[in-house]
Amino acid sequence: AQTVTQSQPEMSVQEAETVTLSCTYDTSESDYYLFWYKQPPSRQMILVIRQEAYKQQNATENRFSVNFQKAAKSFSLKISDSQLGDAAMYFCAYRSSGSSNTGKLIFGQGTTLQVKP
Amino acid sequence: NAGVMQNPRHLVRRRGQEARLRCSPMKGHSHVYWYRQLPEEGLKFMVYLQKENIIDESGMPKERFSAEFPKEGPSILRIQQVVRGDSAAYFCASSPRSSSYNSPLHFGNGTRLTVT
Repeated sequence: AQTVTQSQPEMSVQEAETVTLSCTYDTSESDYYLFWYKQPPSRQMILVIRQEAYKQQNATENRFSVNFQKAAKSFSLKISDSQLGDAAMYFCAYRSSGSSNTGKLIFGQGTTLQVKP
Repeated sequence: NAGVMQNPRHLVRRRGQEARLRCSPMKGHSHVYWYRQLPEEGLKFMVYLQKENIIDESGMPKERFSAEFPKEGPSILRIQQVVRGDSAAYFCASSPRSSSYNSPLHFGNGTRLTVT
């Protein structure tokens, strides 16, 4: 069974600075998808960025980018020029891509990000 | 285009009562997933349904929990004889297809269930 681990329960960053959130996963599959979701206090789950395992190029969405290391099974999220609105809980998630899979997401425990003004 | 709608937003039940949580997927989406989030934890998969079919219920507790997604109307997650340990946020997510990269899950805002 696949597992996702986020080893940083809490992180903090100064406004305008850069922060990196860690995520590792365990799987025997070769093709899969990885995601980062943001959950602000409103509880809404917001998709931040996604990565296909077969793509070597790291995904980027504006101030958000990932460092995907397939061999190390690592998928970290970098937030540049941090803003107060980035404060939230961040979840890393894994999704199988095989034809028999059901498309469910497997989430890590989450990292609470605090942004200091 | 309305997103995934969950209601109620908050639900309070006394021990032993029944809780019914509703989820209306995004328009055009026929795949629904239910997740549970305990305090300070990540979301845990419970069940995956398509219209009138339960596809994967590997995350559902064997007793007291059931889910349905009828041909017409919202998906319902039903918890019978609730206990304090059922207190959590329950999220619904929908997708037009089950496993495509280009059809990510869209989440509702969740229902927070409190059992007193």
